[in-house]
Amino acid sequence: SQTIHQWPATLVQPVGSPLSLECTVEGTSNPNLYWYRQAAGRGLQLLFYSVGIGQISSEVPQNLSASRPQDRQFILSSKKLLLSDSGFYLCAFFDSAFNYGYTFGSGTRLTVV
Amino acid sequence: KNEVEQSPQNLTAQEGEFITINCSYSVGISALHWLQQHPGGGIVSLFMLSSGKKKHGRLIATINIQEKHSSLHITASHPRDSAVYICAVRVYGNKLVFGAGTILRVKS
Repeated sequence: SQTIHQWPATLVQPVGSPLSLECTVEGTSNPNLYWYRQAAGRGLQLLFYSVGIGQISSEVPQNLSASRPQDRQFILSSKKLLLSDSGFYLCAFFDSAFNYGYTFGSGTRLTVV
Repeated sequence: KNEVEQSPQNLTAQEGEFITINCSYSVGISALHWLQQHPGGGIVSLFMLSSGKKKHGRLIATINIQEKHSSLHITASHPRDSAVYICAVRVYGNKLVFGAGTILRVKS
């Protein structure tokens, strides 16, 4: 079965510190992978997506970056966090063979202080 | 104007009531998704629709491609249905564009 692991679940980081959020997928190969963010009181917004190893597309210019070092691993990073980076970060993958299409990670709640 | 509009934003219902959440979109889509988000933030996929109607238990989702409109219905609502319901449309690149969500509270 298809599963997605995302960690950590909660993170409190000071302004200016680095960030690394990791997401791994099981039960599928060559998935489309996505990072979404939900700021407080707002809807989900696409940050990055990847259709293959090393292929990253950015939707929103910001101080975040993403990498896909392996087929089923997707990493969201920042060198220096801003207060505005606070929010709920979700990793997801799309598989057209899956009944619902998308599978979502459990999310990371990031608070930058 | 947002590409995906949901209504209502907030909905309070009594247990047992029939509930409808509406979604309109203005872009070309390959499919429409209904998602459920619980207080902890985790998201569960409820439906993926490209035409017609689907039913899972007490949940029914319909889509009218010509009118660019979808509805999510909950029959015999229960307090455990309380959650945020999100409409999202799948566009090129299999990317999702999300509505703002409908906060549903079902009182016993």
